[in-house]
Amino acid sequence: GDSVTQMEGPVTLSEEACLTINCTYTATGYPSLFWYVQYPGEGLQLLLKATKADDKGSNKGFEATYRKETTSFHLEKGSVQVSDSAVYFCALNPGNDYKLSFGAGTTVTVRA
Amino acid sequence: NAGVTQTPKFQVLKTGQSMTLQCAQDMNHNSMYWYRQDPGMGLRLIYYSASEGTTDKGEVPNGYNVSRLNKREFSLRLESAAPSQTSVYFCASSFRNNLHDEQFFGPGTRLTVL
Repeated sequence: GDSVTQMEGPVTLSEEACLTINCTYTATGYPSLFWYVQYPGEGLQLLLKATKADDKGSNKGFEATYRKETTSFHLEKGSVQVSDSAVYFCALNPGNDYKLSFGAGTTVTVRA
Repeated sequence: NAGVTQTPKFQVLKTGQSMTLQCAQDMNHNSMYWYRQDPGMGLRLIYYSASEGTTDKGEVPNGYNVSRLNKREFSLRLESAAPSQTSVYFCASSFRNNLHDEQFFGPGTRLTVL
């Protein structure tokens, strides 16, 4: 079935370091792909999305490109801040169902 | 706009007790969802409601029931709580139930079943 696999954490970085969180997916159709972020004590909020192959989603300095050939949607940021400390979830909507499938989440801690 | 609100924020139950988790949204969204979040497992869909008057099972519906009271409100009921239902529960909503639509999440309810 449709699923998402993302790199395990936790990830600990220093401020201004580069961040990459890998996400790969399995889907039979043409899914839309999402990155959600969960700050401590809060619910999830959409960080960025891409709805078709080669689309690039971007927000708050984060980027992810929908790569159909490698079935990937890796999240990247060139220079992280302490405020980026959160749990990041990759997710997909397969397009033929209601279900939003989430990865297990990656905890990122940025130290000053 | 408050977005998606959930009550209560925290709850402790004993095995066998029942309770209802409340969720409301003020964004005029058509679709609403209940998820549970467990460590290392991401979010799993319990039930969803594509539109007012309809509900459907998700990935992990056993032990739960839902009611779409009106367009704004979607409640989740545990009839006889079990320790395996200890989790953080999130309600979400979206304007339509299709692949491009963003889901908006509430702040969550942390439930412990002893």
